[in-house]
Amino acid sequence: DAGITQSPRHKVTETGTPVTLRCHQTENHRYMYWYRQDPGHGLRLIHYSYGVKDTDKGEVSDGYSVSRSKTEDFLLTLESATSSQTSVYFCAIGSLAGAGNEQFFGPGTRLTVL
Amino acid sequence: GQNIDQPTEMTATEGAIVQINCTYQTSGFNGLFWYQQHAGEAPTFLSYNVLDGLEEKGRFSSFLSRSKGYSYLLLKELQMKDSASYLCAVTRIKAAGNKLTFGGGTRVLVKP
Repeated sequence: DAGITQSPRHKVTETGTPVTLRCHQTENHRYMYWYRQDPGHGLRLIHYSYGVKDTDKGEVSDGYSVSRSKTEDFLLTLESATSSQTSVYFCAIGSLAGAGNEQFFGPGTRLTVL
Repeated sequence: GQNIDQPTEMTATEGAIVQINCTYQTSGFNGLFWYQQHAGEAPTFLSYNVLDGLEEKGRFSSFLSRSKGYSYLLLKELQMKDSASYLCAVTRIKAAGNKLTFGGGTRVLVKP
């Protein structure tokens, strides 16, 4: 199994507060991704990174920012959390070494914004 | 843009066979993935198809027809532990960041 951890695993916060989720990998993979998963929407890409300090937006990036200062860490920040950001957040990693560049997923973070 | 469609839910009996279809519309198609996701857990990689035809891995097989924009995942000899969601995802040629686009997933319920 790919070495990916996410922290925290669960978080409850209030509207308007900042929240940072962390993804850590031990596989030295180049690509890292943040998704959110909601009923009826499947997995949707928020932001992704293709190297240290190289990041770009996904399809649902509004209200989120990311940073990658080291290969192994990819942070997702909600500057001012809203109830619509209540979701399960998955981090994934990928490289070109696998069959067609499959992605491996972390265990997920369940975020509730009250 | 891209459009990926899968049925929302399917029910099957233990020991039977279930086929989960996935249709897609995308330019520059460069492969289709299937993932399995048990409730409350992370998705895990099942298969990858880029050429037309059938790929078999034990009880699971995946088929692709590029000309029809169609794939299916076939689960044979169903077991209770196969109750999960199955996610179809596509990638495109030179997709920035090797991005995947996922369908909404198909929840499969296996009954005794």
